[in-house]
Amino acid sequence: TQLLEQSPQFLSIQEGENLTVYCNSSSVFSSLQWYRQEPGEGPVLLVTVVTGGEVKKLKRLTFQFGDARKDSSLHITAAQTGDTGLYLCAGRTHLKSGSARQLTFGSGTQLTVLP
Amino acid sequence: DAGITQSPRHKVTETGTPVTLRCHQTENHRYMYWYRQDPGHGLRLIHYSYGVKDTDKGEVSDGYSVSRSKTEDFLLTLESATSSQTSVYFCAISELIAGGLQNSPLHFGNGTRLTVT
Repeated sequence: TQLLEQSPQFLSIQEGENLTVYCNSSSVFSSLQWYRQEPGEGPVLLVTVVTGGEVKKLKRLTFQFGDARKDSSLHITAAQTGDTGLYLCAGRTHLKSGSARQLTFGSGTQLTVLP
Repeated sequence: DAGITQSPRHKVTETGTPVTLRCHQTENHRYMYWYRQDPGHGLRLIHYSYGVKDTDKGEVSDGYSVSRSKTEDFLLTLESATSSQTSVYFCAISELIAGGLQNSPLHFGNGTRLTVT
């Protein structure tokens, strides 16, 4: 079973600061997704990246997929209190046809943005 | 929000009792999943389904069984609950989109918090 490691596990910053969250693995992924989860709710998809080296931007969030498709990062510029939440990365591999349907999640980064 | 309803939202039960959690979707999505979420472990796949009566085991399937007799319903059963099964359980659905299953997002319900005493 592949392992997705996220770092840092916890991050507390002041509003307006920049931050980067990392997602690393020794496995190659066919795609990688980032989700955001708020208390009492299920995760919600932010982005999917599928090409090595791919960069996607969603307003103040920048997502990057590593060239070797083993790692990804999420960068937030000028964080706002509304960015507070649990950020989860999740990847799919093509080990076999059944397993390709399985999305493996990292343990998450709990981000707190202080006013 | 995707039409996914999990019931119950909260449940407290005693060790050794059977428990069934229900996931109901109104999106007619083919794939359905049960995950558990525990601190430090993220979300771990218990079982998944790729169609009516077609299910398969995930990473942490021991002690759990599932059934899918209709497209819209996916049931998770703990035959004899143990304290280690205290967790938050999430149901998710997905469907094939352009680009294939690798691009398909999971849509999650709001979870069931289960406490086994």
